[in-house]
Amino acid sequence: DTAVSQTPKYLVTQMGNDKSIKCEQNLGHDTMYWYKQDSKKFLKIMFSYNNKELIINETVPNRFSPKSPDKAHLNLHINSLELGDSAVYFCASSQVANPWDTQYFGPGTRLTVL
Amino acid sequence: AQKVTQAQTEISVVEKEDVTLDCVYETRDTTYYLFWYKQPPSGELVFLIRRNSFDEQNEISGRYSWNFQKSTSSFNFTITASQVVDSAVYFCALRLLSGYSTLTFGKGTMLLVSP
Repeated sequence: DTAVSQTPKYLVTQMGNDKSIKCEQNLGHDTMYWYKQDSKKFLKIMFSYNNKELIINETVPNRFSPKSPDKAHLNLHINSLELGDSAVYFCASSQVANPWDTQYFGPGTRLTVL
Repeated sequence: AQKVTQAQTEISVVEKEDVTLDCVYETRDTTYYLFWYKQPPSGELVFLIRRNSFDEQNEISGRYSWNFQKSTSSFNFTITASQVVDSAVYFCALRLLSGYSTLTFGKGTMLLVSP
């Protein structure tokens, strides 16, 4: 059983489209995250939710909107996709929002915007 | 603000060599947590180790060992007798105790182990 899963694994789309990436964790964790990994492999936090509540929102364009229907799911919706949005997006979860809690990552979603 | 530096962009070794990946961090906080993650060619991020700032004991897990030195703000990772399967990008990361801090990653070190 996969602990943190993401769908789709690959997403190829045209500029201007709207797309969503889904994330689910079956670890019973309270906190979930979205990270972006750029072409140089640099990983940066985008959002964090704790028990469905947004607690971290880094400087991300408001075209990106996370939604947490329940604490096991954190989806990422992106409007009006741009070329610069091409990256690998990772979902992660941790037991709670404490800094010492290990974050476990999903397999990533490679988004390519043409 | 915190920062993590992995100065080695890429390291190439031959199987069975030992290799050390460097990680230097910056923070003014006294309580913080350090992590190492591995990203193999398949792309997923695999957790390797977590260390808190009050625990300077070195750790060994099989062929992996970690050396945490607060005096030099370093948390280096050594692989002994490297194997081809160790080929991956390795990330060091830092998270502060204060507030809703974020996990700050270094830029990663790509390790290539050839047969």
